[in-house]
Amino acid sequence: EDQVTQSPEALRLQEGESSSLNCSYTVSGLRGLFWYRQDPGKGPEFLFTLYSAGEEKEKERLKATLTKKESFLHITAPKPEDSATYLCAVSTGYSTLTFGKGTMLLVSP
Amino acid sequence: ETGVTQTPRHLVMGMTNKKSLKCEQHLGHNAMYWYKQSAKKPLELMFVYSLEERVENNSVPSRFSPECPNSSHLFLHLHTLQPEDSALYLCASSQEIIPKPYNEQFFGPGTRLTVL
Repeated sequence: EDQVTQSPEALRLQEGESSSLNCSYTVSGLRGLFWYRQDPGKGPEFLFTLYSAGEEKEKERLKATLTKKESFLHITAPKPEDSATYLCAVSTGYSTLTFGKGTMLLVSP
Repeated sequence: ETGVTQTPRHLVMGMTNKKSLKCEQHLGHNAMYWYKQSAKKPLELMFVYSLEERVENNSVPSRFSPECPNSSHLFLHLHTLQPEDSALYLCASSQEIIPKPYNEQFFGPGTRLTVL
């Protein structure tokens, strides 16, 4: 059974304090790993897709990396507007996604 | 309208009511999905449609009945729900169901459902 585990469950940072979120996965045949951002009361917003180990993608203060067992979402010098829940998901078949529970990030000014 | 829209945004219903959730995508995609998001749980895939044909039904109780009349619209018909069905129901779409680069799923804002 495909499993996705995200850690930590919650993370509080000061503005400018860089950190990383972890997504570890156990799947049979990874077709893609996805990162989404979700604000309270809203649907997930697509951030990145990673397809192979060693791949990296960046967007503003966010950088996603992928190994054969896990993915990291690095947040450099975060701002309060980066506060959200970050979701990781894997695809192993069709476009059906298996999601983790998410990491709730709070960035204080 | 752009992206994926959902109506209503909030719904309160009794266990004996019948209601429907509506989703519309303005992206020209061919695949649409229903997900359920409950507190402290991962998103759960409920149904997948490709070109109006249901391709996956993830062991969802029959009190949830999906309908996809065309590739732009998706409905979720609800009847005799239970309080544990209270959750955020999310609709998503993608170009197609085959996983490949640039075939990401885009989500709507969700319908917050409360069953009394």
